[in-house]
Amino acid sequence: DTGVSQDPRHKITKRGQNVTFRCDPISEHNRLYWYRQTLGQGPEFLTYFQNEAQLEKSRLLSDRFSAERPKGSFSTLEIQRTEQGDSAMYLCASSTPKQPQSPNEQFFGPGTRLTVL
Amino acid sequence: AQTVTQSQPEMSVQEAETVTLSCTYDTSESNYYLFWYKQPPSRQMILVIRQEAYKQQNATENRFSVNFQKAAKSFSLKISDSQLGDTAMYFCAFMTSGSRLTFGEGTQLTVNP
Repeated sequence: DTGVSQDPRHKITKRGQNVTFRCDPISEHNRLYWYRQTLGQGPEFLTYFQNEAQLEKSRLLSDRFSAERPKGSFSTLEIQRTEQGDSAMYLCASSTPKQPQSPNEQFFGPGTRLTVL
Repeated sequence: AQTVTQSQPEMSVQEAETVTLSCTYDTSESNYYLFWYKQPPSRQMILVIRQEAYKQQNATENRFSVNFQKAAKSFSLKISDSQLGDTAMYFCAFMTSGSRLTFGEGTQLTVNP
């Protein structure tokens, strides 16, 4: 069990460019979550997958944001036409209802810090 | 909609002493989970302690314990024998089964030597 991994860890881009982030969950976890965290604030929910199905999307997820989990394993989050307001830490988490001692506990990755210039 | 409120943006404590972080929440759900997460500087979020709403007994994990008052919708975290490594941002969070986490604004805890 290597934990949740995210790539890249840091991304600097110019306004108007597209960016894509990747999340690899813990291998047996069927649920995957994306959150956004701005400086000094708590994470805010963006979207959630169970296997390959995207079950819930926040109103924060504008049309410029899209997330996929094509084979029910890794997930990608794409932001098109980035804006300065998109600068934040993007966190991925995964969980499974089958974890014996702590069902549905969400394990977080290290995050991808996005800076839009 | 669920909301989570942490009214203490910053707190400090001397090493080896005890500190309590406050959290209140609002929900109409009857079955839910409450969590305290710790986020050290430039490091990833880790779970400190969890509480199932249906359990009356307060959860404990070594030096960490909670005071869960369901009627008052209050969920405070007590850290005993504070250590320098406890310095971090602490987030209170709420979840209904299998769904999203709703986080509070966080409390920055500093443990002073």
